[in-house]
Amino acid sequence: NAGVTQTPKFQVLKTGQSMTLQCAQDMNHNSMYWYRQDPGMGLRLIYYSASEGTTDKGEVPNGYNVSRLNKREFSLRLESAAPSQTSVYFCASSIGTAEAFFGQGTRLTVV
Amino acid sequence: LAKTTQPISMDSYEGQEVNITCSHNNIATNDYITWYQQFPSQGPRFIIQGYKTKVTNEVASLFIPADRKSSTLSLPRVSLSDTAVYYCLVGEPRGYGNKLVFGAGTILRVKS
Repeated sequence: NAGVTQTPKFQVLKTGQSMTLQCAQDMNHNSMYWYRQDPGMGLRLIYYSASEGTTDKGEVPNGYNVSRLNKREFSLRLESAAPSQTSVYFCASSIGTAEAFFGQGTRLTVV
Repeated sequence: LAKTTQPISMDSYEGQEVNITCSHNNIATNDYITWYQQFPSQGPRFIIQGYKTKVTNEVASLFIPADRKSSTLSLPRVSLSDTAVYYCLVGEPRGYGNKLVFGAGTILRVKS
């Protein structure tokens, strides 16, 4: 049982480049989330999707876009990466309750 | 979502019981209290959730007083592997789950 799978696990980008972080869950969950975690800090919510077909901004949405492709997949796109977006990105899913399951994270460095 | 306040960090020794308190003075009637654990280089993991009094599972206990303005996560006989960040979240168990907002958490360091 894979749970929440994020790809890639590591990525280095140059300033101004774009990329998409992929997230897929196999638990038939309704809700999916994207967070970023800077070194020594807590998680900050970027975007979330309460159900297939809906997305909403979280605490720090600027510089990001998301797509809820289907019930399983929720992608996060950086259109023009900046050094301030260097962080660890976590995807999570839940059935709609407060019990969420997290992926292993994507470590992104923007140089 | 109700705002929560936790200690920034705590130190303990192996074999001790650790209690981490979370303050949530503005908790609403329908809100539940949920705790997560995060090990270094991993995503957070759900530990326990409760509404009032006491909840216990194989990992921890959660104590909630009658006024529900605070809660205490209790870890019995901690080991080095319990070194982690612990987050307290407050909100409705359904619907609120659509916007899970984490605070800074409490860094627990367990020493030998």
